[in-house]
Amino acid sequence: EADIYQTPRYLVIGTGKKITLECSQTMGHDKMYWYQQDPGMELHLIHYSYGVNSTEKGDLSSESTVSRIRTEHFPLTLESARPSHTSQYLCASSESQGAVYGYTFGSGTRLTVV
Amino acid sequence: AQSVTQLGSHVSVSEGALVLLRCNYSSSVPPYLFWYVQYPNQGLQLLLKYTSAATLVKGINGFEAEFKKSETSFHLTKPSAHMSDAAEYFCAVKDTGGFKTIFGAGTRLFVKA
Repeated sequence: EADIYQTPRYLVIGTGKKITLECSQTMGHDKMYWYQQDPGMELHLIHYSYGVNSTEKGDLSSESTVSRIRTEHFPLTLESARPSHTSQYLCASSESQGAVYGYTFGSGTRLTVV
Repeated sequence: AQSVTQLGSHVSVSEGALVLLRCNYSSSVPPYLFWYVQYPNQGLQLLLKYTSAATLVKGINGFEAEFKKSETSFHLTKPSAHMSDAAEYFCAVKDTGGFKTIFGAGTRLFVKA
């Protein structure tokens, strides 16, 4: 079944640790995105990718980095986690051509940095 | 610059009552407009979208939305609320020539028995 998967679903980690949030999609979508979601606030775009070897920073300043070596895989890495990184991270993908289809979202990773 | 305003962070209705969730947008060019729903501990799911065809758009689960250019609005409605509609709803806008989609802050819908 075509879908988008995020792991882990929940993560509690200590300050200063390096972490990678995984995101994979099986739909062959070219475009992929990472959003940060906090209660009562707009979703903020932190990274996006047009395709393989293409990555851009979004509107929200973020200390994270991303890579896009394969179409289906778009991991997000925090080199040194801080309590201010505590949030929910949502990965999404969309088709590149044709009509506007909207986004397909993963279930999210809820990160807590202690 | 694009922006989305959702009026009311919380809306409460009785089961069987009309659901009305409000969304106003600003965009310098004709936009694409979307409504998404988020159930607890899940990602967002596309409910419906407006892409310059019919101004009244029907989506999943009995929801619909009407694009009103003169009011720059895209309100979401459902004639009769069901308990399973309790969730958070996000309105979003994308310029037809742009890349990014801008999301509103969300409206949490409560449905009372």
